[in-house]
Amino acid sequence: AQSVTQLDSQVPVFEEAPVELRCNYSSSVSVYLFWYVQYPNQGLQLLLKYLSGSTLVKGINGFEAEFNKSQTSFHLRKPSVHISDTAEYFCAVVSGGYQKVTFGIGTKLQVIP
Amino acid sequence: NAGVMQNPRHLVRRRGQEARLRCSPMKGHSHVYWYRQLPEEGLKFMVYLQKENIIDESGMPKERFSAEFPKEGPSILRIQQVVRGDSAAYFCASSPSSGANEQFFGPGTRLTVL
Repeated sequence: AQSVTQLDSQVPVFEEAPVELRCNYSSSVSVYLFWYVQYPNQGLQLLLKYLSGSTLVKGINGFEAEFNKSQTSFHLRKPSVHISDTAEYFCAVVSGGYQKVTFGIGTKLQVIP
Repeated sequence: NAGVMQNPRHLVRRRGQEARLRCSPMKGHSHVYWYRQLPEEGLKFMVYLQKENIIDESGMPKERFSAEFPKEGPSILRIQQVVRGDSAAYFCASSPSSGANEQFFGPGTRLTVL
C-alpha cells in the first residue's frame, strides 16, 4: 500500500521569501510523484511530476521539487513566493504503474504581504 | 480542446434525496477517476472507470454510491439517499490511458446535504 504524508497543514510565509513544502511517501514499489495546486473553489492543477531521470524536477510558476529515494521525500520549493501563490498544495503518489493516485492531506500556503 | 467538465458545480440536496454528478472527460480520454474531498481532508480515491467498465471501485462506500461511464455520454456518480456526511467536493479526473500519466482534473461539484 502507498501513503503520502504532508507534515505541515499550514505554512505562512512573507512575500518574496523562499518556501519549502514537505512531502514524504511510502511505497513498496517504484513510484511516480506529483505536486498539485488547488486555488479556492477550483479543481487541481498539476505543478510538476517525477517519473524517472533527473531527481530535480522543475514545474510551472517557478516551483521545483527534488526526489530523494533514500529519504522517501519529494519536497516542493520556490525561492521567492508571490501573493498569487496562496493556495493549497497536494503531494500525490502513484505506484506500480497503475493510476490510482494517493494524495496527502494538503498544505495551505499563505503568502503574507 | 475543452478540459474536464463537471456539472453541476454546486448541488444542494435534502437528506434522503438522490444526487447525480456528471463528468465529461477531455476529448480523447477514455479513463475517468472520481475523488471525494471532505472538509479539511485531502482527496480520496473513489473509483476508476473506462468506457463501460469499472476497473477499481475500492474507494467507493459499499452502499448508496454507484458510478458508470457509458459508451456514449458522461460519467455519472450517483449517490442515493444522501446523508449529511456526503457533503463534500467531488472531483473527476481523466487521462488518455493507464500508467503514470497526468490526470486532468475538473473543477469539482460541491454537494451540500441539508
